Amino acid sequence: DTEVTQTPKHLVMGMTNKKSLKCEQHMGHRAMYWYKQKAKKPPELMFVYSYEKLSINESVPSRFSPECPNSSLLNLHLHALQPEDSALYLCASSQRGRTGFSSMNTEAFFGQGTRLTVV
Amino acid sequence: TQLLEQSPQFLSIQEGENLTVYCNSSSVFSSLQWYRQEPGEGPVLLVTVVTGGEVKKLKRLTFQFGDARKDSSLHITAAQPGDTGLYLCAAPPYNTDKLIFGTGTRLQVFP
Repeated sequence: DTEVTQTPKHLVMGMTNKKSLKCEQHMGHRAMYWYKQKAKKPPELMFVYSYEKLSINESVPSRFSPECPNSSLLNLHLHALQPEDSALYLCASSQRGRTGFSSMNTEAFFGQGTRLTVV
Repeated sequence: TQLLEQSPQFLSIQEGENLTVYCNSSSVFSSLQWYRQEPGEGPVLLVTVVTGGEVKKLKRLTFQFGDARKDSSLHITAAQPGDTGLYLCAAPPYNTDKLIFGTGTRLQVFP
């Protein structure tokens, strides 16, 4: 199974809502990522979890709150978002983790993304 | 900040033409990957290059890693409409858990 599954595929939320994005992988990968992608731009890294611990937060506003309940799941909790937060949110996983930084295990597998619209 | 600059930014060509996309950085990377992304989908890994000077072929796509491991190129021979998409290079900076993406090249191949 080489899939990364993201739900929901589409989400429309108001600025006062609280919602969560979910991501699941069963490849035994120990690194999981959240990226944000605006139209016609490359993905921008938001968070990295390594062995279920948050290892990188790219100065993301606190209205985005990541959570890694176990090695297969990654959530992104959303609260009080702004219209400019509308984007495609991508989850990815890779073998890379604290076992080292071997170049051979940095290949990332991505989910289809969640298209988020904040109204 | 370690940046990966891609050129060209946009490319619009006819079916059957050849093209080359470049990915350049001032930093050295232990490896570099190329992904292709279609609208509304996540990026899909095409190849990983590891050794300076390495050349890898994937059907009509040829990938090369620069000798100094700071740059890479993707060459497509006889492009087809199915090659249309956003091509992204990506690399892991040393001693971090990050995977950073290049600025992207949007390719459109017309029949």
